[in-house]
Amino acid sequence: QLQLQESGPGLVKPSETLSLSCTVSGGSISSSSYSWGWIRQPPGKGLEWIGNIYYSGSTYSNPSLKSRVTMSVDTSKNQFSLKLSSVTAADTAVYYCAGRRFSYMDVWGKGTTVTVSS
Amino acid sequence: QSALTQPPSASGSPGQSVTISCTGTGSDVGAYNYVSWYQQHPGKAPKLMISEVSKRPSGVPDRFSASKSGNTASLTVSGLQAEDEADYYCSSYAGSNILIFGGGTKLTVL
Repeated sequence: QLQLQESGPGLVKPSETLSLSCTVSGGSISSSSYSWGWIRQPPGKGLEWIGNIYYSGSTYSNPSLKSRVTMSVDTSKNQFSLKLSSVTAADTAVYYCAGRRFSYMDVWGKGTTVTVSS
Repeated sequence: QSALTQPPSASGSPGQSVTISCTGTGSDVGAYNYVSWYQQHPGKAPKLMISEVSKRPSGVPDRFSASKSGNTASLTVSGLQAEDEADYYCSSYAGSNILIFGGGTKLTVL
């Protein structure tokens, strides 16, 4: 059974880079059945798709965030990662990693809270 | 791409049916049969309830059904139960690997 777990700092200073990782267990990150995605949810607000990455390294990002998003895959660790640069308070959110099957996500991590504050 | 439009709230009594709408455009909901629905309880991760307009994953009760007409998708919960009280989000494929979410609907079981 596929499981995902986010990890990373819970507090990031404004203008710095947010870095998160997601560890995949119970399956291989190299699976052709999935791409690996990031979704966030600001406090009290809705979900926002950030982007996703295939094990091959191909990436796709939300146009509104694309200039600040970098994603990568480490197949040796069965992990994928997100970097979001030049963060502001508006980037404060719960960040979820998820396994995506083309048009939907059917496996999610529990989420990790990231606060942007000095 | 703009967020899909959902009503902020919906409600129904136990045993009743409630329908939640999700309106997009001809570039997302109307263009593809790739609408999905997620249920989110407070403090929890979203859970996939419907994929590809109307497909229920294994384990999702058949009280949950969904459809699409034009630029609007709908999720119907029949035989409402207390545990159905949650936030519901629709999502649509919008081309070029892009996904768009709706703003979410808070379903209250009266």
